[in-house]
Amino acid sequence: DSGVTQTPKHLITATGQRVTLRCSPRSGDLSVYWYQQSLDQGLQFLIQYYNGEERAKGNILERFSAQQFPDLHSELNLSSLELGDSALYFCASSEGTRLTGELFFGEGSRLTVL
Amino acid sequence: GENVEQHPSTLSVQEGDSAVIKCTYSDSASNYFPWYKQELGKRPQLIIDIRSNVGEKKDQRIAVTLNKTAKHFSLHITETQPEDSAVYFCAALTGANNLFFGTGTRLTVIP
Repeated sequence: DSGVTQTPKHLITATGQRVTLRCSPRSGDLSVYWYQQSLDQGLQFLIQYYNGEERAKGNILERFSAQQFPDLHSELNLSSLELGDSALYFCASSEGTRLTGELFFGEGSRLTVL
Repeated sequence: GENVEQHPSTLSVQEGDSAVIKCTYSDSASNYFPWYKQELGKRPQLIIDIRSNVGEKKDQRIAVTLNKTAKHFSLHITETQPEDSAVYFCAALTGANNLFFGTGTRLTVIP
């Protein structure tokens, strides 16, 4: 158990819909990262938050947005969903603003868009 | 931005043999290179990492080498065991603190 909690574990929805994925980081970690893993693909970095503020941005679509709340949990919002958005979405956390060691991943949220 | 390429995409070895996975990166400012192992249906987990001021690091059967001049790094697993079967990802941390992953290598160790 990494200490990073993601909900829901599985989600099935239709094209055009909007979903919210939730992540609670490890106790004491201030940074939250979101990654997308499509079938047989690597881990695509989406976005990083540190203590409530956006710190780094990767290949995140404009239809996607994220935020980190005062209690440090984070939410990834995916809207106007397309079939290609079907993927495993991982949240990860680390202690500081800069990654200096292990990135602790949650178990992921599997999104299926039909 | 950073571009991390990883080869091979699949690798099958006999139990007891060695496995080597290679990665290249493009951003010369990248300074931290971790390797993650992802078992089927599980989360990625760090198995070893190396920083840019070190050329080689070893942890039991696993070793990583880094050539900063050539911008490539490799993972070496010796005396492979069936439980080593998984997908392995290399990654490079840029100066902007973005961790970019390679596309993964599916390693199968045949008993």
